Amino acid sequence: ILNVEQSPQSLHVQEGDSTNFTCSFPSSNFYALHWYRWETAKSPEALFVMTLNGDEKKKGRISATLNTKEGYSYLYIKGSQPEDSATYLCAFISGGYNKLIFGAGTRLAVHP
Amino acid sequence: DTGVSQDPRHKITKRGQNVTFRCDPISEHNRLYWYRQTLGQGPEFLTYFQNEAQLEKSRLLSDRFSAERPKGSFSTLEIQRTEQGDSAMYLCASSWGGSETGELFFGEGSRLTVL
Repeated sequence: ILNVEQSPQSLHVQEGDSTNFTCSFPSSNFYALHWYRWETAKSPEALFVMTLNGDEKKKGRISATLNTKEGYSYLYIKGSQPEDSATYLCAFISGGYNKLIFGAGTRLAVHP
Repeated sequence: DTGVSQDPRHKITKRGQNVTFRCDPISEHNRLYWYRQTLGQGPEFLTYFQNEAQLEKSRLLSDRFSAERPKGSFSTLEIQRTEQGDSAMYLCASSWGGSETGELFFGEGSRLTVL
């Protein structure tokens, strides 16, 4: 059974703080790792799709790294803003499969 | 095209009733997925289609659940004889199977409450 773990489950930070979350996934038969942001009452939106060991992706104040050999990815948010408040989901695709296996997410609340 | 749309957004039903959800994917996407999300959990895979063919169905899915994608366009997910444990957010997503990224585009979901 493929399992994706995310930590922490929830996080409360002050505006301006930098923060990071962890996603752990099976290191064997890796194909791709996705990060999604899910704001309340909206649909999940893709942040990053990562496929290569050592990949680093950046979008504005948000960045992510990938280590496929040890089976983890980090998502970083620099200078958190209230609009960053959302649930951040990571999802893993194993080679030979076409479905994403999601973690339970990290719920981030950024307080002004 | 405005993205993936789902209908209805909210459904309240009594235990034992049948419910059907509809998903209209992005028109050029050939893959369509159904996921279910309950409180505190991530989206759980239910089934997916490539064009009109249902290629995989979760083994956790009861026989009360059935999905179709006639003509490879919109899809419906039907739940027969609903139970309280079926209460969840049902998410539909689509993607272009030829894309290297495989990024999913989600709808806003259909929230089911079974009383």
